Amino acid sequence: DTGVSQNPRHKITKRGQNVTFRCDPISEHNRLYWYRQTLGQGPEFLTYFQNEAQLEKSRLLSDRFSAERPKGSFSTLEIQRTEQGDSAMYLCASSPLQGEGNEQFFGPGTRLTVL
Amino acid sequence: GESVGLHLPTLSVQEGDNSIINCAYSNSASDYFIWYKQESGKGPQFIIDIRSNMDKRQGQRVTVLLNKTVKHLSLQIAATQPGDSAVYFCAAYSGYALNFGKGTSLLVTP
Repeated sequence: DTGVSQNPRHKITKRGQNVTFRCDPISEHNRLYWYRQTLGQGPEFLTYFQNEAQLEKSRLLSDRFSAERPKGSFSTLEIQRTEQGDSAMYLCASSPLQGEGNEQFFGPGTRLTVL
Repeated sequence: GESVGLHLPTLSVQEGDNSIINCAYSNSASDYFIWYKQESGKGPQFIIDIRSNMDKRQGQRVTVLLNKTVKHLSLQIAATQPGDSAVYFCAAYSGYALNFGKGTSLLVTP
C-alpha cells in the first residue's frame, strides 16, 4: 500500500500524559499536513510542512502541541499534558509540490481518547 | 479565511436514484475546490475536484458543478449505490490549508 500511513490507529491515554503520533506520507510528496477532526465536524487544519520546514500553523495548535518533520519524510505530532478536549481523530495528509492548490491525500487517522 | 458550508446535514436517497449534495463558500477568490467522501473510521477520500476556470467537471458517476456568481458548488452522484453511504465534505483552500464544511451524511436505502 503506497498511501499515507499513520500510527498508532488508536491511542487511549490518561489526562496529563504525553502522546506522539507518526505520519508517513506518500513517498516523494513534499507537502505534509496535520488536521484534527471531532465527531460530527469536518477536519480542521493544524499545521503544514513543505519538506522539513513548518510553514503554517493554525491557532488551534496550542503550545502543548508540537509537530516535526526532521528529514522531510515522516512527521510526528506530539501533544503534551493531554486534556480531555484533545480527544479527536488526528489526520495526516500529503500532496506533491505542484504550484498552488492540489488534492491532499489523507491517511486513516489516529483516534485519540483522553480519559 | 475561507468558510465553506453544506446545506443539509443528512440526505436519504433510494438505491438507484441520483443524489445532489450542495455547498456554499464565502471567499470569491477561492480557485480550487475538492469533494471528499469519508466512511466511518476512515480518512477522507478524494472524489473529484474543480478549478474556478471551470463550471462543470465529470468523473465516474459523479459530477461537480461550480457557480461562481452565487459561490455555490454541488456534487451529483448518479445511480446511487449502497457503497455511496458516507459523509461528504466540500473543501476549499485558504493559504495552504483546506477548509472543510461540516459534511452531509448520505444514507442510501434499498
